[in-house]
Parts: sequence; structure tokens; C-alpha cells
Amino acid sequence: AQSVSQHNHHVILSEAASLELGCNYSYGGTVNLFWYVQYPGQHLQLLLKYFSGDPLVKGIKGFEAEFIKSKFSFNLRKPSVQWSDTAEYFCAVRNSGGGADGLTFGKGTHLIIQP
Amino acid sequence: GAVVSQHPSRVICKSGTSVKIECRSLDFQATTMFWYRQFPKQSLMLMATSNEGSKATYEQGVEKDKFLINHASLTLSTLTVTSAHPEDSSFYICSARDGVTTEAFFGQGTRLTVV
Repeated sequence: AQSVSQHNHHVILSEAASLELGCNYSYGGTVNLFWYVQYPGQHLQLLLKYFSGDPLVKGIKGFEAEFIKSKFSFNLRKPSVQWSDTAEYFCAVRNSGGGADGLTFGKGTHLIIQP
Repeated sequence: GAVVSQHPSRVICKSGTSVKIECRSLDFQATTMFWYRQFPKQSLMLMATSNEGSKATYEQGVEKDKFLINHASLTLSTLTVTSAHPEDSSFYICSARDGVTTEAFFGQGTRLTVV
């Protein structure tokens, strides 16, 4: 069975600080990897995804993530955060076989950006 | 981006009654829809996967007779919580997978409170 571990449950940063949120997954096969963001009162939105190819993927709002296969990791990064990045961030994994499977989510990281 | 509408956003019901939650894909056809449940401070847990016109596939530990899922069209799936009890109180989120792009989009969720 798949599992996803997000190391940081709560992160507080000041504006302009750099961000890295950790994500490790456990699965024996080939996977698709995702980061979602949930702003207060809103639905989940896709930040970025990795299916194959370049392990460094760029997403919306200046976020990027790097897939390191040997470490089973897919950490999310942003060089300079903004107050508007305050949200809940979820890492998720899916069996890569066609997308018919649902996602396995990590527990989420609550990010607070202080002005 | 694609929109998934989930209704209602909040519902309070009495113990023993049934509640129906709708999930609609507004601008794409969803061959597959997923239903998740999220407990406070926990991750989203996949409950079931439904494919249009066929029976839903439930995850281990999810009672199919309690959580009835219908996916009668390519744009609508419903989740009915039957004979609801207070322990069914939770946040339910649907996700619809675009049959063309395979990307999955999320509804805004339904907060169910059983009293």
C-alpha cells in the first residue's frame, strides 16, 4: 500500500523567506506525484505534478518541486514566500497506471506567512 | 481551470436520517470520480472510486451499504450517507477526473454534522 509522509505539520515563516516542505512516499512501483494547496475556505488546487521526465517541476505561483527517486522524496520549494501563500499544503501520490486510481495524501502542512 | 461543484457545502442532519451529497463536473466529462473523507487535522482518505455507469469500488474498511455512491452520468456523482450517526460527521470531498487530460479536480467539500 502507498503512504505519504509530510514532515512538517506547521510552518511559520516571514515574508520573503525561502520555503521547503518535505514529502516522502512509500510505494514499490512507478508513481505520479502531486502537490496541492488549500487556501482558507477554498477547495484543493493543484500546484504542480510529476509524471515523468525532468525531475525538477515548476508549478503555479512560483512553486517548484524536485523528485528524487533514490530518496522517495518530492519536496516543495519556493525561494521567496508571500503573505498570500498562507494555506494548507498536501503532498499526494498515485499509482502511475493511467490515473484510474485515487490519490494517497499526506497529512498536510499548515503554512503561515507573517507579514 | 476546470470546475467541480459540490453541493451542499454544509449540512446538519439528525441521527438516523440519510444525506445526499452531489458532485458535478461543470465543464468537462468525468469518467471517474473519487470520494474522500477528511477528519480534523488529518489527511484526505480515499473512500471509493466510481466510474460512470458501473458500481463503485470501495476502499478497505468503507461500508458500501452505508456510503452509497451513484455515478449515473459523466458529469454527476452522488454520495448518500445512509442512517447517519454522529461518528459520520466529517468533511467529504469529491474529485472528478477529466477523461481527456486525466487531471483530477476537486470540489469544495461538504461539512456534514450529524446530531
